[in-house]
Amino acid sequence: SAVISQKPSRDICQRGTSLTIQCQVDSQVTMMFWYRQQPGQSLTLIATANQGSEATYESGFVIDKFPISRPNLTFSTLTVSNMSPEDSSIYLCSVVVLSSRGYYEQYFGPGTRLTVT
Amino acid sequence: LAKTTQPISMDSYEGQEVNITCSHNNIATNDYITWYQQFPSQGPRFIIQGYKTKVTNEVASLFIPADRKSSTLSLPRVSLSDTAVYYCLVLGADFNKFYFGSGTKLNVKP
Repeated sequence: SAVISQKPSRDICQRGTSLTIQCQVDSQVTMMFWYRQQPGQSLTLIATANQGSEATYESGFVIDKFPISRPNLTFSTLTVSNMSPEDSSIYLCSVVVLSSRGYYEQYFGPGTRLTVT
Repeated sequence: LAKTTQPISMDSYEGQEVNITCSHNNIATNDYITWYQQFPSQGPRFIIQGYKTKVTNEVASLFIPADRKSSTLSLPRVSLSDTAVYYCLVLGADFNKFYFGSGTKLNVKP
C-alpha cells in the first residue's frame, strides 16, 4: 500500500496568481498521476509524472499552465499557474504500486481543494 | 482505451446486496478491470481488481463474464456507510493510464 499526503489541503487564491501543491508518498513509487475533480464530477487525468522523465500531459492540459516537478520517487509538485475561477477544483495526487497480491493498485491523496476568486 | 459505462445512480436499503454493472464493450485482451470507491471530500479508494470469472476479497466480489465486455461489482449487505460513488476502470496492460468514467452514485437508505 501507499500513504499519500498533500499540502495544502485547501486554499483560496486570487485570479492571476499561482499555487503549488505538494504530494508526499511514504514509499518509493515510479508511477504518479495528477487529477482534477470538479464538484460532483468524475476525475480528469491532468498528467502522468514518472520519476526520471518529463511529465506527460493529457489533452487540454499544458505544461505552461500546470508545471509538474518529480525530483525523486517519493515527492511531486503540481503548480496551477495564472489561475482563473475555472481552475477552482479539487486536485488529487495518485500513485500506482504493485501489491502483494500481484495487482497494480492505485492510491490517492486526500486532495487539495482550490478556490479561485 | 476501453470506455466504460455505468448507471449514474442507484438506491438501496441497509442489509441488501447491491450489484453495480459496468459495460466495457471494447476491452482488449490484456486489460484488467478495477473498481474504486469515493466518499465526499476524499480521494478514491481501491476496492477490487480482476481479469476474468470471479474475484472476492473482504470488501466485495467482482464478476466478469467470459466475453469480459461487462463486469459487476457486488457489495454484500450494504450499510449506510457504503453510500459513495463507485468507479469502474479498465486498465491497459502497461498500467500507465488510469482514466475514470462517470461513476455510479450509490445511496443506501435506512
